[in-house]
Amino acid sequence: DSGVTQTPKHLITATGQRVTLRCSPRSGDLSVYWYQQSLDQGLQFLIQYYNGEERAKGNILERFSAQQFPDLHSELNLSSLELGDSALYFCASSVGVYNQPQHFGDGTRLSIL
Amino acid sequence: DQQVKQNSPSLSVQEGRISILNCDYTNSMFDYFLWYKKYPAEGPTFLISISSIKDKNEDGRFTVFLNKSAKHLSLHIVPSQPGDSAVYFCAAPSPNFGNEKLTFGTGTRLTIIP
Repeated sequence: DSGVTQTPKHLITATGQRVTLRCSPRSGDLSVYWYQQSLDQGLQFLIQYYNGEERAKGNILERFSAQQFPDLHSELNLSSLELGDSALYFCASSVGVYNQPQHFGDGTRLSIL
Repeated sequence: DQQVKQNSPSLSVQEGRISILNCDYTNSMFDYFLWYKKYPAEGPTFLISISSIKDKNEDGRFTVFLNKSAKHLSLHIVPSQPGDSAVYFCAAPSPNFGNEKLTFGTGTRLTIIP
């Protein structure tokens, strides 16, 4: 058990819709990272938050946004969904701002029909 | 542009033998590398890392070798055990951002045959 909790585990929705993925970091971790893994691809870094502030941005589409709340949980919002957004979305956490992501959640599998 | 490449999608190894997983990179600015292990329906778990000032780092049954001139690193697992069956990803931090922005390879699925 990594201590990182992601909900929901599975999400099925249609094109054009909007979804919110939720992540609770491991206790004591201040950094949250979001990664996307599409079929046969490596994990693609999307965005990092540290203690409520955006810290680093990767290949995150403008249709996607994220935030980290005062209790340190984070949400990834995906809107105007397209078929190509179907993927596994992982959240990870670490103690500091410069640490590598140590603890990953089990992921949310998003399927767009 | 895949800056970190794992060209073998899968590998099968007999239990007790050595497993060698390979990773190539294109960005010569990468100076730190990590390996993650992922079981089905779980997130990746950090396994071992190596800095470019070293050419070898060992942790129990796991050893990572780095060949900077060839831009190649490998993970050796010896002896291989059934519990090592998983997908292994190599990763490198972005030279511009550091550890918070990792570039991952596509992974190699290792199957240990009892």
